[in-house]
Amino acid sequence: AQTVTQSQPEMSVQEAETVTLSCTYDTSESDYYLFWYKQPPSRQMILVIRQEAYKQQNATENRFSVNFQKAAKSFSLKISDSQLGDAAMYFCAYRSGAFGNEKLTFGTGTRLTIIP
Amino acid sequence: DTEVTQTPKHLVMGMTNKKSLKCEQHMGHRAMYWYKQKAKKPPELMFVYSYEKLSINESVPSRFSPECPNSSLLNLHLHALQPEDSALYLCASSQNPGQGVAYEQYFGPGTRLTVT
Repeated sequence: AQTVTQSQPEMSVQEAETVTLSCTYDTSESDYYLFWYKQPPSRQMILVIRQEAYKQQNATENRFSVNFQKAAKSFSLKISDSQLGDAAMYFCAYRSGAFGNEKLTFGTGTRLTIIP
Repeated sequence: DTEVTQTPKHLVMGMTNKKSLKCEQHMGHRAMYWYKQKAKKPPELMFVYSYEKLSINESVPSRFSPECPNSSLLNLHLHALQPEDSALYLCASSQNPGQGVAYEQYFGPGTRLTVT
């Protein structure tokens, strides 16, 4: 079974600074997908960024980028120019590429606080 | 329209009550999901419907009964729940399951359920 580990229960960053959230995973599969979701206090889960395991290039979405190290099974999220609206719980998630397997496995989450 | 809606937002029910949670999406997605999320924990998958057929049941107790009447609607029928079933129930949807591409899941805002 796949597992996802987020070793930082809480992180904080000054507004406008850069922060990196860590995520490692364990799998024996070669085809899979990784996601970062954020869940603000309003509780709605929002997709931040996704990465296909077969792609060597790291995904980026505006101020959000990942450092995907497939051999190390590491998938960290970098948030640049942090904004107050970035405050949320961030979940790393794994999804198998196997046909018909739509299950998302989530990490335990990192609560990010933005300091004004 | 990239929205998943859930009703009601809040629900309080007794252990002998029967109630239903409703989820709706109009994005043409053919996979729909129910998750349970306890406070400060990641979402836990309960059920997956692919093309209106139940494809994954994560050993959920029978007091939870899912239903997918059509491709846009997903219900979760609740009966004889226990206080430990109190949680946030999240619905999600994604495109075209089972085609070997992991489309991201779009989440609804959730229903906060309290069982008294």
